[in-house]
Amino acid sequence: AQRVTQPEKLLSVFKGAPVELKCNYSYSGSPELFWYVQYSRQRLQLLLRHISRESIKGFTADLNKGETSFHLKKPFAQEEDSAMYYCAPRGSGYSTLTFGKGTMLLVSP
Amino acid sequence: NAGVTQTPKFQVLKTGQSMTLQCAQDMNHNSMYWYRQDPGMGLRLIYYSASEGTTDKGEVPNGYNVSRLNKREFSLRLESAAPSQTSVYFCASIVLAGHLQDNEQFFGPGTRLTVL
Repeated sequence: AQRVTQPEKLLSVFKGAPVELKCNYSYSGSPELFWYVQYSRQRLQLLLRHISRESIKGFTADLNKGETSFHLKKPFAQEEDSAMYYCAPRGSGYSTLTFGKGTMLLVSP
Repeated sequence: NAGVTQTPKFQVLKTGQSMTLQCAQDMNHNSMYWYRQDPGMGLRLIYYSASEGTTDKGEVPNGYNVSRLNKREFSLRLESAAPSQTSVYFCASIVLAGHLQDNEQFFGPGTRLTVL
């Protein structure tokens, strides 16, 4: 069965600290992996996708097929990073996104 | 471009009442989706429409119906609202065709629905 797990409901760090939001998935085939972010009371927006290997707002994510993980990292958290983050795999071929339950990141001054 | 728009932004219903949530996109996307967002549950797919003229059930379709009115519009209907349907509803769209499957899925601003 297709499954995505974000083990932390809440991650609280101080400004300038490193951040790692965990995501593990269980999918057949070779899924595409995405991270979406939702700032307070706003719509979800795409943050990262694994195929582009880009860094957005200082965040990076590496797909580890052996561990079936796609953890989101940032070396120095900023207060404006406070938001809800969702990991979302999509199966190969035409398929829908499956969202994890989300991790709330709180960055304190 | 307005992107993905949703109406209404807020709605309060009494148990048993019906209503339709409207969604429209102006990006010529072929696939559209309805999700509900609940605390601790993430986003769960209610229904989706891969292309104009088709609709399919998602993870939590019970109590809902959808209509893909045309390529732009995808509505979600609650025939007899229940308190368990209190949630924030998001519409989304994407191109999702062939090699363009890595395209971004765009979301609407959401509708906050309370059922008393």
